[in-house]
Order: sequence, then C-alpha cells, then structure tokens
Amino acid sequence: SQQGEEDPQALSIQEGENATMNCSYKTSINNLQWYRQNSGRGLVHLILIRSNEREKHSGRLRVTLDTSKKSSSLLITASRAADTASYFCATDSTGANSKLTFGKGITLSVRP
Amino acid sequence: NAGVTQTPKFQVLKTGQSMTLQCAQDMNHEYMSWYRQDPGMGLRLIHYSVGAGITDQGEVPNGYNVSRSTTEDFPLRLLSAAPSQTSVYFCASSPGLETQYFGPGTRLLVL
Repeated sequence: SQQGEEDPQALSIQEGENATMNCSYKTSINNLQWYRQNSGRGLVHLILIRSNEREKHSGRLRVTLDTSKKSSSLLITASRAADTASYFCATDSTGANSKLTFGKGITLSVRP
Repeated sequence: NAGVTQTPKFQVLKTGQSMTLQCAQDMNHEYMSWYRQDPGMGLRLIHYSVGAGITDQGEVPNGYNVSRSTTEDFPLRLLSAAPSQTSVYFCASSPGLETQYFGPGTRLLVL
C-alpha cells in the first residue's frame, strides 16, 4: 500500500501564480522528498526535508513538514510554464527494512 | 558520468516470453530499486537492493526476479510476461534512502 497521498490530484494555474501541493502519510518517517516528472521522462529529485525540520527552501520551492499531522506541502512560487509536470512525494518510513514509498502524484498545468 | 542508464527504451513482448530489463549506474551507489509506473497508480516498488549480493522484495514483486552481482548493475527479469506487466519501468539508484537518481525508463508492452 502507498504511504504518501498527494492532494489535489490535478492543479491548473496561470503563469505567475503560486502552486501549493499537499502530501499526507500514515506512519512515522525519517524524511520526506518531493520529485518532479516531466512527461515521458524519469523522476527528478527536488527537495528533501527531514523529520526534525519544519520548513526548507530551494529557489522558488518551499516545503513544510508537520509531523503531528503527518503532512507536507510543496509551494512553487511565481510559477512558469516549464513547471508543468507531475509532482510526487516520497517517504522513508522508520523501522527495519525501510523503503522509499511514492504517492500517486499531482499533475500541475501552468497556463502561459 | 552517465548516471543511471536503462535498456531497452521500448520493448514489445508476447504473453509467456521472458526478458531482462537492464539497469546500470556509474555513481557507486549502494542502493538500487526497480519501480513500475501505471496510470493513476504512481510508482510502485518491485524489488530493491542495498548492496551487491543483497536484494529484497518491494510492494509488487510477483512475476519479477532480480540479482545484484555488482554494485553497478541491477537487472530485472520477467520470467513469463503477462499483459498485466505492461507498464513503464524505472530503475533508480542512491547512496541511501535519500536522493534517488532515476533512469529514463523502459516502456514495456505485453500482448
């Protein structure tokens, strides 16, 4: 079963607007990551936030993590048409035999 | 560095045929994984390896075998292809359970 679930499933915004995507998960984690996938390509790592961190920035990306609510959000500011892609969260659960588990993804469309 | 390479890019199989999807990385990563991606299902882990000689099952291992004889290579074998295995397959490598580096994918169609 998948650990992370993204919300919404699809998001359409105008260029220049901000895009906010959410991820919820079920069990305790060591870290949470966000990836981007352009159509027909492999996934590309965007940002990682550890369980003891609450917020992290990378360029136009801002990630927050609330371990009490078991949720994370990814904010892309001043979106561009090139941000059009699918976005996935992935969690690394605590415990033995830990594996990285991906959600089903969010499709972001940025209209020029 | 080539990163993670996968071959072939596209393959058509008939039901019952076997084949091996190749994955190689040149970053000396210990951790390698195979995922399948189906519409609306996200990525599901098939098998993974934490180092040469060590493999383990993921979420959807049935119908697939793996081996890890070297750090660089992690082939995925389909023993007897079924239409349900039609999918896009991604290989990934990483130093640990952190930043994963993905290959470009193999599109497999089983008729």
